[in-house]
Amino acid sequence: GQQVMQIPQYQHVQEGEDFTTYCNSSTTLSNIQWYKQRPGGHPVFLIQLVKSGEVKKQKRLTFQFGEAKKNSSLHITATQTTDVGTYFCARNQAGTALIFGKGTTLSVSS
Amino acid sequence: EAGVTQFPSHSVIEKGQTVTLRCDPISGHDNLYWYRRVMGKEIKFLLHFVKESKQDESGMPNNRFLAERTGGTYSTLKVQPAELEDSGVYFCASSLGFKETQYFGPGTRLLVL
Repeated sequence: GQQVMQIPQYQHVQEGEDFTTYCNSSTTLSNIQWYKQRPGGHPVFLIQLVKSGEVKKQKRLTFQFGEAKKNSSLHITATQTTDVGTYFCARNQAGTALIFGKGTTLSVSS
Repeated sequence: EAGVTQFPSHSVIEKGQTVTLRCDPISGHDNLYWYRRVMGKEIKFLLHFVKESKQDESGMPNNRFLAERTGGTYSTLKVQPAELEDSGVYFCASSLGFKETQYFGPGTRLLVL
């Protein structure tokens, strides 16, 4: 299945700074999902985007799905130490398996 | 409601040995998935069960891996014989229906020496 490319691989920010991770595909996506994995933890579902140009917000997190449905982003406003972890985007392959990006690992210093 | 559980949480074995991982999905979830994350790489799909049937096993790396879900409840993933490159974290996930949100278990951290 077609991979989803995710950048950056690592990001370090000072607490209070913003953070963005980007997910790109060479093919049109039916949907894009975002997961967060805390250090030593397991992936936890955050959100699914389906519609072209869709924007969804969860408190300080803003998720966008591109107009062409080939890219997506996750933006965190005013990061906190509780935001540390790895953020993965994922697409469904044939409606079943999740194909994950490599993830962006966020570290936050206070 | 209990989440997805996996056993053991950690396993350290020597090359050539056999290891069996177990996953208990959320009660009532017909769909069960196995994934693996090798150090520094992305989480990769291994296979998908619908009840006791293998819906998609395209991600299974080779015939040293055997997954079962007898009775359509819990699932086991056996690696025999284990190789060094099998080290990683094995996640199980379950979903209520086809294409619905997948809930991940805590994973089994496997180290093959």
